Amino acid sequence: EAAVTQSPRNKVAVTGGKVTLSCNQTNNHNNMYWYRQDTGHGLRLIHYSYGAGSTEKGDIPDGYKASRPSQENFSLILELATPSQTSVYFCASGDGDNTEVFFGKGTRLTVV
Amino acid sequence: GQQVQQSPTSLVLQEGENAELQCNFSTSLNSMQWFYQRPGGSLISVFYNPSGTKQSGRLTSTTVIKERRSSLHISSSQITDSGTYLCAMESGLSGKLTFGEGTQVTVIS
Repeated sequence: EAAVTQSPRNKVAVTGGKVTLSCNQTNNHNNMYWYRQDTGHGLRLIHYSYGAGSTEKGDIPDGYKASRPSQENFSLILELATPSQTSVYFCASGDGDNTEVFFGKGTRLTVV
Repeated sequence: GQQVQQSPTSLVLQEGENAELQCNFSTSLNSMQWFYQRPGGSLISVFYNPSGTKQSGRLTSTTVIKERRSSLHISSSQITDSGTYLCAMESGLSGKLTFGEGTQVTVIS
């Protein structure tokens, strides 16, 4: 079973502050993804990566950066957090086209 | 418009009843997954089902790629089946998933 671990699980941040959400996967998957889940919008893709050193924009990248320093780790960075970024964030990993995707347990972020 | 349409939006089942959840896709897809989520919980993969029929216990998933649809059948529902079931499609672009908004299932005794 694929293991995707997110940290922190809960975070309260102040408006304008910097927030980093971390994700680690132990199954040597090439691809990693960051989604956010909001009522009325479902899950939406923010950024994804094909491997170490690569980051790509998803469907809603504005206000977010991503970093993939290694095969195992993928971070989501909010340089200037805003209340509209209050959400639940999920990290996922997989091996690309036509393969199963595995999700972490999520990070609940509240920006006040 | 939405690429992934789930129906119904919600349903209430008497314990022991069967149910069928539908997922329809407006574009071509390579594969799809069904996920289960409790309120405030994580996404648990129920089925990875690119095509055909798969069964796991009381759950059965059938995907017909050419018709752009998938269904999830719950037989003999139990209270522990309560939660939200989400379907997601992968259209061949690096494993990126597009999600439906889910079907909220409540099983009562």
